[in-house]
Amino acid sequence: DTAVSQTPKYLVTQMGNDKSIKCEQNLGHDTMYWYKQDSKKFLKIMFSYNNKELIINETVPNRFSPKSPDKAHLNLHINSLELGDSAVYFCASSQVGDYEQYFGPGTRLTVT
Amino acid sequence: GESVGLHLPTLSVQEGDNSIINCAYSNSASDYFIWYKQESGKGPQFIIDIRSNMDKRQGQRVTVLLNKTVKHLSLQIAATQPGDSAVYFCAEKEDNNNDMRFGAGTRLTVKP
Repeated sequence: DTAVSQTPKYLVTQMGNDKSIKCEQNLGHDTMYWYKQDSKKFLKIMFSYNNKELIINETVPNRFSPKSPDKAHLNLHINSLELGDSAVYFCASSQVGDYEQYFGPGTRLTVT
Repeated sequence: GESVGLHLPTLSVQEGDNSIINCAYSNSASDYFIWYKQESGKGPQFIIDIRSNMDKRQGQRVTVLLNKTVKHLSLQIAATQPGDSAVYFCAEKEDNNNDMRFGAGTRLTVKP
């Protein structure tokens, strides 16, 4: 029944490793997003995908790459993890023409 | 760059009182504004939205007010309940831009 799901919920890893966070939505939405929330709760958009096309790419290091195998999934792959990557990452989705975004529960990434 | 911000980072109210959460924005081209609620350990959840051609919109126990002259947005919660305790974000976007920009958030604490 979960509309937007993410796995894992918690991810602890060491600097230099490569990791992925998975996101799936069962709402039939056309657009999916990734946000980063820092320790002060500030939410910043990282990417969005619409019909497998990248729409937004903010000033995010190219170590971060979104991968969308199909319309229902948008995974986030991170290479060479750094301490500053520690944050909570949220996936979200929306329907074209509808600005309301539905968020997943978040993945807390801790880089040690 | 343009940004969305909040006047108060924290707000503490007594159960049953009304709450007002304020938000200042600087992008005069914003067409759409939205309030999200984020409970601890969860993703942001839509509360209410308003378009720039409106100055007030009401939902269940919540009212959003928009003052475009001073670029100010507020969320009013009537008869605040303990379940309203959360971090509240305002966000704004332009119709021709897929980028949803979030403010820093206000933590609302409801005292029993």
